[in-house]
This record gives sequence, C-alpha cells and structure tokens, in this order.
Amino acid sequence: DIQMTQSPSTLSASVGDRVTIACRASQSIGNWLAWYQQKPGKAPKLLIYKASSLESGVPSRFSGSGSGTEFTLTISSLQPDDFATYHCQQYNSFYTFGQGTKLEIK
Amino acid sequence: EVQLVESGGGLVKPGGSLRLSCAASGFTFSNAWMGWVRQAPGKGLEWVGRIKSKTDGGTTDNAVPVKGRFTISRDDSKNTLYLQMNSLKIEDTGVYYCSTDRGYCSGGRCYSGWSDYWGQGTLVTVSS
Repeated sequence: DIQMTQSPSTLSASVGDRVTIACRASQSIGNWLAWYQQKPGKAPKLLIYKASSLESGVPSRFSGSGSGTEFTLTISSLQPDDFATYHCQQYNSFYTFGQGTKLEIK
Repeated sequence: EVQLVESGGGLVKPGGSLRLSCAASGFTFSNAWMGWVRQAPGKGLEWVGRIKSKTDGGTTDNAVPVKGRFTISRDDSKNTLYLQMNSLKIEDTGVYYCSTDRGYCSGGRCYSGWSDYWGQGTLVTVSS
C-alpha cells in the first residue's frame, strides 16, 4: 500500500502570507496526485489534480507542484476564505489520503 | 449543475447492517466511475471503495478494512449509487461521502482518477 504523509499537521499563518504544504508518497506515484480543501462540516472540494492542474473555478493563488514522491501545495497570498484543512490524495494505485493539514489564523 | 445527495445514514448496533444511497444528477451517471470516502470524527479522509462504469466493466474495488463486509453497487436507470454495509464495527463510525471518480480505461488498462464532485455526506454511527 502507498502511504501519504503531509507536513506540517497544523500551520498558523496570516492573511497575505505565502504558505506551502508538503505531501510525500512512500513510493513513486508519478503525477497521480490531487489536493482537496475541506471546511468544518463540509465535503472536500477539489483544488488540484495531476499534481499541478488547477480545477476550474479555483483561484489562481492556489498552485501545485512535484512528481514522483514529493509534492507541494502553495497558496501565494492567503485570503480569509482559505483557512481550512487541506488533504492530498494519491490515485496511482487505488487511493490513499494524507492525514490532512489544518491551516489556522495566526 | 452536478448534484450528489447521500441518504440512509443513522445509528446502528455493532454487527448490524445499513444501506447508503447516493442520488446523482447533472451529469451522465452511467458513464461515470463512482466512489465512497469516509471520515471518522476528527480524523482524515479514508477511501472506502469504487465502482467503474459498466462500459469499463462495472467492477468494484474495496479498501482492506471493509473488504468482505461492504458492497458497492449502482443502478444506472435510477442514477443512484449504493453502499451496502454489513457486520458493522464501531470503527466504521463516520461521515460517508459519495464522489465522482475521473478514472477511465484505455488500451486495455484502467487508471484511477481524482474526485471532482462530492455529496454533502451522511453520518453513520455504530454504537451499542
């Protein structure tokens, strides 16, 4: 089974900050990676697929990069609406999610 | 507009059964792979299983923790996805989401995909 590890688990930041969340796969997954945003009590929302493709309607301040085993999600300038939990997911071999990164207001 | 609406959650005793439904609209359901993802209280997301479109074979795959207990099926005439859960355990408690799966088959090989649409979730509580 492929394991996904996100870091950090919690991130405190301010509006306007640039933030990066990392996701590491236990073996190479090519670019078969997605990122989701989830707010309390709500369903996940797709942000990025194929590691770096921006889902339609998602603001351009979100970007994804990486391949193989190392991936990052970057938010270029945090907005109030961005404080949420972020999940990475590999779909190279079935599916595995990372444990999530909670982005909090500093 | 794509809509996925889950139903059927509730309180059930350990060892009991429950069937979840997911009503789909706004897209060609019969062409879509579909999946179930769950989230235990305060925890991360966990893949439960998926079903391919009938065009791609209609087969199912389940995660190890639910294999042999949970069954995914679909009724394309009703645009509805199902999750039959048997022999429920306390650790099956959580919110269950249905989602679309952008998987596909090509050249004799099948590829899993990302989930671009999700339902609002339905809560399953397994407790005595």
